[in-house]
Amino acid sequence: DAKTTQPTSMDCAEGRAANLPCNHSTISGNEYVYWYRQIHSQGPQYIIHGLKNNETNEMASLIITEDRKSSTLILPHATLRDTAVYYCIVRVGAGTSYGKLTFGQGTILTVHP
Amino acid sequence: DAGVIQSPRHEVTEMGQEVTLRCKPISGHNSLFWYRQTMMRGLELLIYFNNNVPIDDSGMPEDRFSAKMPNASFSTLKIQPSEPRDSAVYFCASSFNLGSPLHFGNGTRLTVT
Repeated sequence: DAKTTQPTSMDCAEGRAANLPCNHSTISGNEYVYWYRQIHSQGPQYIIHGLKNNETNEMASLIITEDRKSSTLILPHATLRDTAVYYCIVRVGAGTSYGKLTFGQGTILTVHP
Repeated sequence: DAGVIQSPRHEVTEMGQEVTLRCKPISGHNSLFWYRQTMMRGLELLIYFNNNVPIDDSGMPEDRFSAKMPNASFSTLKIQPSEPRDSAVYFCASSFNLGSPLHFGNGTRLTVT
């Protein structure tokens, strides 16, 4: 799977948008971008994923650049409960490694009042 | 939807003892994953199954670790004999199929003294 690079930590004020960047410059054509988060003492939670088009769901929006070498996860109105480690993962869509989800170190997002 | 159920939530054992961790995936999910999380190494994929068949066990650290999935609703991860360096949080996750988002349980915190 392609390696991803994320900032170690970020801060965000409650009620503001949180924009979490991720670089995946070696992404291949059949690899998807996935975002998960892990709140303290819980298992990781799926947020959103995409291939090349921007995606939105009830939790967040995912913006993928046209060359697919980077993406941004947007939490439109961050709350204190969004404080967590956010993982950007590139995952193959087919082939021998299909199914593997490899976690990096992630970004620690702290939402403050 | 009960989610992925893991048991026990906490396990404390002495070095050399056998440890069995249990997982009940979400009903209807065909893929099951075992991860381990430590401060030093983060989240590591140990093994995953598809339709009860192990697909990739390359992440299993050594022969002391074994995993089984006797049916679609149950999986075990066994460590025999356990060692202090096995202390970690072990997560089980399931997905509808190999390409679908993973749903994680809340983990089993294992402490080997």
